[in-house]
Amino acid sequence: NAGVMQNPRHLVRRRGQEARLRCSPMKGHSHVYWYRQLPEEGLKFMVYLQKENIIDESGMPKERFSAEFPKEGPSILRIQQVVRGDSAAYFCASSPLGIAGLRVDEQFFGPGTRLTVL
Amino acid sequence: DQQVKQNSPSLSVQEGRISILNCDYTNSMFDYFLWYKKYPAEGPTFLISISSIKDKNEDGRFTVFLNKSAKHLSLHIVPSQPGDSAVYFCAATGGTSYGKLTFGQGTILTVHP
Repeated sequence: NAGVMQNPRHLVRRRGQEARLRCSPMKGHSHVYWYRQLPEEGLKFMVYLQKENIIDESGMPKERFSAEFPKEGPSILRIQQVVRGDSAAYFCASSPLGIAGLRVDEQFFGPGTRLTVL
Repeated sequence: DQQVKQNSPSLSVQEGRISILNCDYTNSMFDYFLWYKKYPAEGPTFLISISSIKDKNEDGRFTVFLNKSAKHLSLHIVPSQPGDSAVYFCAATGGTSYGKLTFGQGTILTVHP
């Protein structure tokens, strides 16, 4: 009964390169969320996705960042042309579909990907 | 703007005593509140939650209290154990924030043997 899986756990990129972070939700979960934690801060919401749909991307920077959750395979958070300020821990969370349309608010987090931009 | 605030960056407690972690929020649309525990280099782990229709929820050693009029919630851990030492985050969701958790900055709890 695996939890939320994220890979890689650590990623080092040079300025200007691309970073791809992957997230496999818990079995049976159809909602995926991405959060970012900058040093000495709390977690900040980035994007909420269901299969093949972006539900809320209000926390995503307008440029260079994109996310997808395809019909098959993991969710991907993509950061193009990384800058030093992108260095952070990126956490993915998942939650199940609510029964009879009821909300399910508990989100279960993966171990995170620590991105370091040199 | 910081809609969820944890004003105590750290708390130190003796083993066996009660730990009380506090959280304040400003958005009156929030209607569901959660507490997460986080160890270094790991993801947050869900602890306990409370809906705004309740004022208390209990699960073993953990109890969460909600005071809607004061927009304040607290997490009580009793008795505290050294293994409880971690960073504790409160989070809130609701209204137009459905699906999106808004986190506080976290409180570092240290429980001394």
